[in-house]
Order: sequence, then structure tokens, then C-alpha cells
Amino acid sequence: EAGVTQFPSHSVIEKGQTVTLRCDPISGHDNLYWYRRVMGKEIKFLLHFVKESKQDESGMPNNRFLAERTGGTYSTLKVQPAELEDSGVYFCASSQFLILGQGAYEQYFGPGTRLTVT
Amino acid sequence: QKEVEQNSGPLSVPEGAIASLNCTYSDRVSQSFFWYRQYSGKSPELIMSIYSNGDKEDGRFTAQLNKASQYVSLLIRDSQPSDSATYLCAVGGTAGGTSYGKLTFGQGTILTVHP
Repeated sequence: EAGVTQFPSHSVIEKGQTVTLRCDPISGHDNLYWYRRVMGKEIKFLLHFVKESKQDESGMPNNRFLAERTGGTYSTLKVQPAELEDSGVYFCASSQFLILGQGAYEQYFGPGTRLTVT
Repeated sequence: QKEVEQNSGPLSVPEGAIASLNCTYSDRVSQSFFWYRQYSGKSPELIMSIYSNGDKEDGRFTAQLNKASQYVSLLIRDSQPSDSATYLCAVGGTAGGTSYGKLTFGQGTILTVHP
């Protein structure tokens, strides 16, 4: 079974440019998550999709970030315009389901996209 | 106070010893807890999940949960040099709220197992 895949693995862009990150979850996983790790900090939650719907956007830093999940399959995260502080590693994760009454279930992470904004 | 706290380490243990990693969390109603292992430059790899008080064993790994003390630990028996990595504690969102799927991570503990 293929794991979570992300593209590109690295991206270097200039401040003010636009970048789009893609995530393909494990097949059959309805839940898709985006996380970010900024240098020296812990991994931080960005948002959670259930199928094509945004369940929780509480971690999105500002309106320069736009996430979509077309047809409940792959997801994209667009940063427009990029700022220096957006640099970091963006992880995507997926989980098969959530246990009622227990919340988060096991999430499997992709390899990440390392974004550098210069 | 951070939501999830771990000793940053580094923790160094000899090969064959038991490595003990600790984590505390602030949200008393959290119900799901995870340990991830992350090698340098790689993605977090799920190694243990625990939902109920007590111990859960899987091979050389044992996760321990004490909800009253808001404490989670991971024991690695017979530590091997290949266990050298950063270990991340993650706490799941509260059931019933909109953020129930969210994981909150600690900063990680760096473990080094020396031959």
C-alpha cells in the first residue's frame, strides 16, 4: 500500500511569489491534515479535511494560505504571496477514520515539502 | 506553559539499555496520544498510539498513559543504535469539538544510543 506522497520535495521561491504544494493521501483515507514545522519549533497543525470539506482551519496562519481538496482525493496548499516567515517543512498526513468519543486517530505522515522563501 | 512538553535532551543511553522518554500535556480532556519517531530529514513515523490509562506494549516499545497526572511515556527496551532519532509526543484533539482531529506536538526528545 502506497503511503502519503507530497510534491515537490523542495521548493525555493522569492518573497512575493506563489507556491502550490500537493499531497496525495493513503488510498481510502477520508481524513487529510496539513502541518508545518518552522526551524527550531515544534510541528504545528494547519488544517483538517474530512473528504472534501474543511473540518478545522484553526491553524491556518492567515489568508495568504489556501487549502483545497478536490473530490476528496488529493489536496493542495497554496501560499500567495509568500513571505520569509513561511519557510519551513510542510507535512501532510492522513488517517482512515476518527473514533467517536476519542478524537484523533492514527495519522500517517508524508515526506514533507521543504519550502524556502528568499 | 506549552500544551505538550517533552525533555529536549539529548538523551544518551548505551546499547542494550532501556530508554525512557517522557511527555506531559496541559489539556485534561485529551483522549488520544501518540509517539512518533523522526530520523533527521525524514517524516515522522508513527510507532505507538495509546488511548486508555495503563501500559501498551508493542515489541521493544511500551507506551504508558496516566491521564490523572497528564503524563505519557515511551520505554524502549534493548535500545539499538538504529533507535537513535528524535521522538515526538503528540496529543490528539478533544472529542466533540471541531478540532478533534488535530494533533498537538511536543518539540521532541533527541535520543542517541551508543554502541
